[in-house]
Amino acid sequence: QVQLKESGPGLVQPSQTLSLTCTVSGFSLTSNSVSWVRQPPGKGLEWMGAIWSGGSTDYNSALKSRLSISRDTSKSQVFLKMNSLQTEDTAIYFCTHITTVVPFDYWGQGVMVTVSS
Amino acid sequence: DIQMTQSPASLSASLEEIVTITCQASQDIGNWLAWYQQKPGKSPQLLIYGATSLADGVPSRFSGSRSGTQYSLKISRLQVEDIGIYYCLQAYSAPPTFGGGTKLELK
Repeated sequence: QVQLKESGPGLVQPSQTLSLTCTVSGFSLTSNSVSWVRQPPGKGLEWMGAIWSGGSTDYNSALKSRLSISRDTSKSQVFLKMNSLQTEDTAIYFCTHITTVVPFDYWGQGVMVTVSS
Repeated sequence: DIQMTQSPASLSASLEEIVTITCQASQDIGNWLAWYQQKPGKSPQLLIYGATSLADGVPSRFSGSRSGTQYSLKISRLQVEDIGIYYCLQAYSAPPTFGGGTKLELK
């Protein structure tokens, strides 16, 4: 069955770089796409970006200058890197499966990231 | 970016009651609208996609409809397990944008 699992540090210092990994199973990254969505504590959902089955990427323009999404298809992993973190980047970060017809049909459990010194 | 205005922000309803949540898109998005339910401490779960199509495993008491650029999620008979926060999402154009959420509580 389709599964996604996020991993990464729970605490990042301000101005540092966040690195997260999404490990997927039940589907191939060469024929499926993955997105990142985040949710600040007690707040709503924000789409961050996606890596499509062909390897191309799209980013939320609000984050584009700081954000990079990549993948290792042999390891079934998708990576998120975001630099210059600030306290407002404190959030739960989710990776999701996405298709052109059905958006965000499967979600990982999420990983809480706190930006603090 | 397309704005999704979701209402109400919070809603208190009784068991077995009919509940309706709406999302207004700032422009035409066709049927590129999905609904999600999020329970405390959990990931969002897809309920409806394509404005009216029920996702696999979702109870039939959930339904979606569209009237122009206004979209509605209806729960025909509220159950205890339906308590949570509901979000709409437009997937018509990048970036995909979510509504602000509706917190559904039991009266």
